[in-house]
Amino acid sequence: ELKVEQNPLFLSMQEGKNYTIYCNYSTTSDRLYWYRQDPGKSLESLFVLLSNGAVKQEGRLMASLDTKARLSTLHITAAVHDLSATYFCAVLYNFNKFYFGSGTKLNVKP
Amino acid sequence: SQTIHQWPATLVQPVGSPLSLECTVEGTSNPNLYWYRQAAGRGLQLLFYSVGIGQISSEVPQNLSASRPQDRQFILSSKKLLLSDSGFYLCAWRYRGSYEQYFGPGTRLTVT
Repeated sequence: ELKVEQNPLFLSMQEGKNYTIYCNYSTTSDRLYWYRQDPGKSLESLFVLLSNGAVKQEGRLMASLDTKARLSTLHITAAVHDLSATYFCAVLYNFNKFYFGSGTKLNVKP
Repeated sequence: SQTIHQWPATLVQPVGSPLSLECTVEGTSNPNLYWYRQAAGRGLQLLFYSVGIGQISSEVPQNLSASRPQDRQFILSSKKLLLSDSGFYLCAWRYRGSYEQYFGPGTRLTVT
C-alpha cells in the first residue's frame, strides 16, 4: 500500500515568517495534490503537480514536486493569519486511487 | 457549471442502525465518483470509487457498501453501524481523463 507522510503535523508560526511543509510518498505516483481544509469544512484544491520539477504558486503558497526523491513541498512565504488551516497532500496511484497524508495543522499567530 | 451535493449534512445514528448517504453531481456526465472517510483529526481514507454505473471498487474491507444506480448518483450504505463508523464522509468527483478532483460539502456522522 502506498504511504504518504507529512511533516510537521502541527505548525505554529508568527505572521510574516516563512516555513515549509514536507510530503513524502513511498512509491511511484501519477500526480501530487495539495488541499486546504478549514475547521468543519470540506477540502479545497490548492495545487495539482503533474510532473517532476513542477512548481506552482498562488499568493503566499508555492508547491513543488521532485518525483525522483518522492517529495513535494508546500512553502509558505510571509504567513498571514488567513492561512491558518489544515493542509493535506495526496498522491494519485493507478489513475484512480488517491492516498492522503495525515495533514499539517497550521496556526499563524498575529 | 458543475456542483456536487451531499445529504444529509449531519447525522446521529445509534449503533446497529442502517445508513444511507447520498451524493449527486450536476452539470457533468460520466464522472468518476469517490467516497472518503475522515476520522477526527486525521487524513482522508478512500473507501470506494466508481468509473461508471454499477461499477464499484472497494478499497477498505468493512461493513460499508456503495452503489451507483445512476450516472451522477453515488450512495454509501451500511446495514449495521459501528461506533468506529463515526466520521466526516466526503464525496468527490473527477472528469474522466482529468486529474483534478472536486469535493462535496461532506456529511458528519456520529454513531452513538
